[in-house]
Amino acid sequence: GQNIDQPTEMTATEGAIVQINCTYQTSGFNGLFWYQQHAGEAPTFLSYNVLDGLEEKGRFSSFLSRSKGYSYLLLKELQMKDSASYLCAVMDSNYQLIWGAGTKLIIKP
Amino acid sequence: IAGITQAPTSQILAAGRRMTLRCTQDMRHNAMYWYRQDLGLGLRLIHYSNTAGTTGKGEVPDGYSVSRANTDDFPLTLASAVPSQTSVYFCASSVAGGFNEQFFGPGTRLTVL
Repeated sequence: GQNIDQPTEMTATEGAIVQINCTYQTSGFNGLFWYQQHAGEAPTFLSYNVLDGLEEKGRFSSFLSRSKGYSYLLLKELQMKDSASYLCAVMDSNYQLIWGAGTKLIIKP
Repeated sequence: IAGITQAPTSQILAAGRRMTLRCTQDMRHNAMYWYRQDLGLGLRLIHYSNTAGTTGKGEVPDGYSVSRANTDDFPLTLASAVPSQTSVYFCASSVAGGFNEQFFGPGTRLTVL
């Protein structure tokens, strides 16, 4: 079966760095996406990785290791507005997105 | 309109009733999707359409139907609602059904009693 695993909840301090991990087992791989979802709102796109390595975009970076079926999202200089759920999704061999349940990130002052 | 709109925002529905959730996008995207999001579960694909005139089944299609008469609109119909269809429904679209990011509508919160 297809499976995406990520921690249910994480807590971090404003100004700090946090790493949210995602492991996956899917039928085929056509890229991995990270989305941010604030409570009661729609998901919004953060990043896309299809090759191994690190993609940096401002305070957010995303890493992929296809051989390990592993990705992480790194958030630096945390701000209170970063409190949200972070969703990991893998595009499978049918070009459909398989979604993890999301990681709720709580930022404390 | 800017982006994707969904209607209604929320709805309480009696079991057995028919309901259509509306979705409209103005970005001229080829591909559109319907997801449901339930607490503790990831987004699950109900139906999708790669282009106007075609539709396909996702992971959880039973009890739902869709149509894609034109590029902009992608309505989702529950023929006879059941309590297990209580969920938040998101419509999304993308430039193509491949490597492009999906843009999401604001969602419809549906409660079936």
